[in-house]
Amino acid sequence: DAGVTQSPTHLIKTRGQHVTLRCSPISGHKSVSWYQQVLGQGPQFIFQYYEKEERGRGNFPDRFSARQFPNYSSELNVNALLLGDSALYLCASSLGRTGDYTAFFGQGTRLTVV
Amino acid sequence: AQSVAQPEDQVNVAEGNPLTVKCTYSVSGNPYLFWYVQYPNRGLQFLLKYITGDNLVKGSYGFEAEFNKSQTSFHLKKPSALVSDSALYFCAVRDGPNDYKLSFGAGTTVTVRA
Repeated sequence: DAGVTQSPTHLIKTRGQHVTLRCSPISGHKSVSWYQQVLGQGPQFIFQYYEKEERGRGNFPDRFSARQFPNYSSELNVNALLLGDSALYLCASSLGRTGDYTAFFGQGTRLTVV
Repeated sequence: AQSVAQPEDQVNVAEGNPLTVKCTYSVSGNPYLFWYVQYPNRGLQFLLKYITGDNLVKGSYGFEAEFNKSQTSFHLKKPSALVSDSALYFCAVRDGPNDYKLSFGAGTTVTVRA
């Protein structure tokens, strides 16, 4: 079975540009979460979506947005990129049902802003 | 707000010796605790979780963790470490069944020398 897949694996953007990161959850999983991992730190929560509805948002500026599609895949969008947005962006999927709380992560997208 | 502390940035052990990675947590409700491992330039890999039940939890690759409510700890252990266990380990917590996000510690780098 395929795990969580993210694309692209790496990309380089210029300050002020826009970026879209993509995530496909494990088959049957209806919840997708996004995390930002800056070098040397633990992942920080950005968003969670369940059944196409935003369930939660972390302490990130409005430049960050996301959505979930009917097939449960998800996109993370970041506008007006700053140097500080350089990080590994991780997507995690879970069943999303009460009683099941295990999140499974993809390999991440390494974003470098220059 | 919930939080996780991993008091050791680095843990160094010899192959075949016991390995312990420490984690303490703070939540307002019942803690849902997780351990993940991250290899270089990869995403997070789930090792084990504690939701309820026995305080000693067994997980993947011979790892186990002990939940201690009075000490608010969830230490990761392996009786006999392998060189291939060298990686970055993260402890994470959810604050009860209605918490949708994982809060991570800063991570502990484990180095197992041959």
